[in-house]
Amino acid sequence: QVQLVQSGAEVKKPGASVKVSCKASGYTFTSYDINWVRQATGQGLEWMGWMNPNSGNTGYAQKFQGRVTMTRNTSISTAYMELSSLRSEDTAVYYCARGLNPLRLDVWGKGTTVTVSS
Amino acid sequence: QSALTQPASVSGSPGQSITISCTGTSSDVGGYNYVSWYQQHPGKAPKLMIYDVSNRPSGVSNRFSGSKSGNTASLTISGLQAEDEADYYCSSYTSSSTLAHVVFGGGTKLTVL
Repeated sequence: QVQLVQSGAEVKKPGASVKVSCKASGYTFTSYDINWVRQATGQGLEWMGWMNPNSGNTGYAQKFQGRVTMTRNTSISTAYMELSSLRSEDTAVYYCARGLNPLRLDVWGKGTTVTVSS
Repeated sequence: QSALTQPASVSGSPGQSITISCTGTSSDVGGYNYVSWYQQHPGKAPKLMIYDVSNRPSGVSNRFSGSKSGNTASLTISGLQAEDEADYYCSSYTSSSTLAHVVFGGGTKLTVL
């Protein structure tokens, strides 16, 4: 079945970086964009950006420009999201989601909890 | 503060219909037919319920419908069922240069009485 399997929970110190992976299966990885959306505890959803696995093209929310990098390894159908210069406000669940466009995210990973704490 | 405004909570009894609103501006909801709705149960990932204002993905019950008028989009759930109790988020494309390409509403908690 179509699914996105994300890497496990991470605990990082302020100023560090985190890299979350998202492995696709059950469909052609390069046929759909991968988007990243995060959610702080008890808060709403926040879109971070998208990546086209075929071309590697990316588009980031202005808020994260300069701190986020989305990449992929097509040989293993895996997308990555790296967030640098972490601060406590980055503590959240990070989701990857596939979509034909960022407004049609039809398959989601289960989320990766990232905790930023000294 | 979210870019799109949703009521914090709505409620209804089983069998009833409810509507959740999502208000934006002409730079997002009002300017494009790119509004989506997501359902999220506690501790779970969001699920796409409506895209492009009023389209349902395969497998989503026809009890869920979407519409838009001006700068406000709406999600209507008819024949409320206990399993509909969840948080609902709207999402829209935005052309605002100071925001992301995609903005979400703050979410609405639906309680089935």
